[in-house]
This record gives sequence, C-alpha cells and structure tokens, in this order.
Amino acid sequence: GENVEQHPSTLSVQEGDSAVIKCTYSDSASNYFPWYKQELGKGPQLIIDIRSNVGEKKDQRIAVTLNKTAKHFSLHITETQPEDSAVYFCAASRMDSSYKLIFGSGTRLLVRP
Amino acid sequence: SAVISQKPSRDICQRGTSLTIQCQVDSQVTMMFWYRQQPGQSLTLIATANQGSEATYESGFVIDKFPISRPNLTFSTLTVSNMSPEDSSIYLCSARGNTGELFFGEGSRLTVL
Repeated sequence: GENVEQHPSTLSVQEGDSAVIKCTYSDSASNYFPWYKQELGKGPQLIIDIRSNVGEKKDQRIAVTLNKTAKHFSLHITETQPEDSAVYFCAASRMDSSYKLIFGSGTRLLVRP
Repeated sequence: SAVISQKPSRDICQRGTSLTIQCQVDSQVTMMFWYRQQPGQSLTLIATANQGSEATYESGFVIDKFPISRPNLTFSTLTVSNMSPEDSSIYLCSARGNTGELFFGEGSRLTVL
C-alpha cells in the first residue's frame, strides 16, 4: 500500500519569509496529491491539490510542485504571515475505484511576527 | 465543496462504554471515510463507509470495535465500542467531492476515562 513521508516535522520562519514542506510517496500509481491545513481544534482544511498531469500549481501565496519520476511533491508558502501558523499535512491517492487518501506525518509551521 | 457536520463535537466517556458519532453531508457524495487522529499525530484511515453494505476496514481496525453504518448517500455513523483510554482520539468523517477532493468535518474529540 501507499506510504507517505513528510519533512520537516516542525518549521519556524520569520514573518515574510518562505516556507517549504516536502513529501515523498511510494505508490507509483498515485496521481492525486492534496495538502491540508489544520488549525488547533479544527478539522483539516484542503488548501491546494495537484494531479499527476501537471508539475506545478499556484494559488496566490501557495504553490505545489510534483516530480513523478522522483515520487516527490512539495508545498511552498511565500510571504508567510502569522495566520499561516498551523499543522500542514500532505497526502496521496489513486483517483480510481481504489481511492483512499494516505497522509504524511504532518509539519507544524510557526510563523514568528 | 461539501459541508460536513459531525456530532458530538466532543465527549468524555467511561471505560467499557460505547459511543456513536454521526456524520451528515450537505450533498450526495459517492465516498465517505472515517479517520482517527490520535493526540499530536497524523490522520489514520479507519474504513471506507459503503452505502448499503459493510464498510471496508483498513489493517488494524475491525468491525466489532468500530461498527460503521451508511444508510444513504449523505449520512454515516461510526461507533467506538467497549472504549478504553487508548481510544481517546479525534474521529474525523470525510467525504469525496464530485471532482475528487476530500473534505473533512470538524471532528469528534473523545476522551475515555
């Protein structure tokens, strides 16, 4: 089955700096890679996703890149703000009848004002 | 996106008792899932809730401990049976949207004494 590894486990950046979180996956048939943000006491919120037919996707200050050959994908947050502080999870799945999201271990991001 | 409502949002339970968590989605969805998130940990898939048939459980989870129902396309329940302190976790209901994204409820936070 799928296995997703995520690094780093914690990340502290100064407000305005960039943050990068990296994930690797094991199932070469996986073709859907979402990222979630979880704030304290809340459920995970989908912030961006990428599918295997593209290498990069951007949404304002957030971008995700995918390298299918290396089975590696990353989340990039630019111009970080204190409200970006949260736990971020990557995940991977096949987009077929065997769909089930497997999550990475999470990254606790702290943006220092 | 799908709006997912769970109840109870939190509960404190006694060892040996059982608790049923309800999940309601605001639109018809094809797939619903239940995840567990132990304190400070990532999300672990418990099972896929299948409409009108038995749920599909992941390794390490069994129907006797976590019976699941899904009587229609918008509603599911998860029961945590014969609880022990090790069952203290956040239990998350999720639903797959029409374009493949997975959305989560806010979670049910269980503490077992």
